[in-house]
Amino acid sequence: NAGVTQTPKFQVLKTGQSMTLQCAQDMNHEYMSWYRQDPGMGLRLIHYSVGAGITDQGEVPNGYNVSRSTTEDFPLRLLSAAPSQTSVYFCASSPLGRGQNEQFFGPGTRLTVL
Amino acid sequence: RKEVEQDPGPFNVPEGATVAFNCTYSNSASQSFFWYRQDCRKEPKLLMSVYSSGNEDGRFTAQLNRASQYISLLIRDSKLSDSATYLCVVNTHTGTASKLTFGTGTRLQVTL
Repeated sequence: NAGVTQTPKFQVLKTGQSMTLQCAQDMNHEYMSWYRQDPGMGLRLIHYSVGAGITDQGEVPNGYNVSRSTTEDFPLRLLSAAPSQTSVYFCASSPLGRGQNEQFFGPGTRLTVL
Repeated sequence: RKEVEQDPGPFNVPEGATVAFNCTYSNSASQSFFWYRQDCRKEPKLLMSVYSSGNEDGRFTAQLNRASQYISLLIRDSKLSDSATYLCVVNTHTGTASKLTFGTGTRLQVTL
């Protein structure tokens, strides 16, 4: 199993450009999520999904869109990139449930917006 | 007040030392608790879950005090390979999904 994969690893954008960060998992996990990690802020939840066709907003959703057409894929779209979106983005997945579920993280995408 | 607070460190300790990290959380409805480890420029990975009765995994011991809303991680006989950032994570269940809240992390540097 590849686990959680993310592409690209690095990306530089200009202000106003749009792009999609890809995330895929092969563990058949229902729950998938996107976080951003900034110095001194910890990981903050952007959007999450509890299954195909279902998405919801997290703590910092503005400027981002997601969709979940399959169990495996959960892309994150930046509509019009801003310098404030410079960050490291992590995708994570886990089984759905109320218990002690381990979150499996992808390797991250380092995004710089100029 | 942050939902999950940790001392950012860094903690610089010699090999073989015992080191303890603390974490406090503000939501008394939180139901499950974890320590994650994050190496420099890598993704977080689960180190251990934290149970009310306390639990141990080799050199690592985690404790939870629900009354004080306090979580701790003790590392005995520190190794160079323990150098990393340790994230305290609190899980609050809401409906069908869970909300994970991450602390900003405590950085540990183990030296010779």
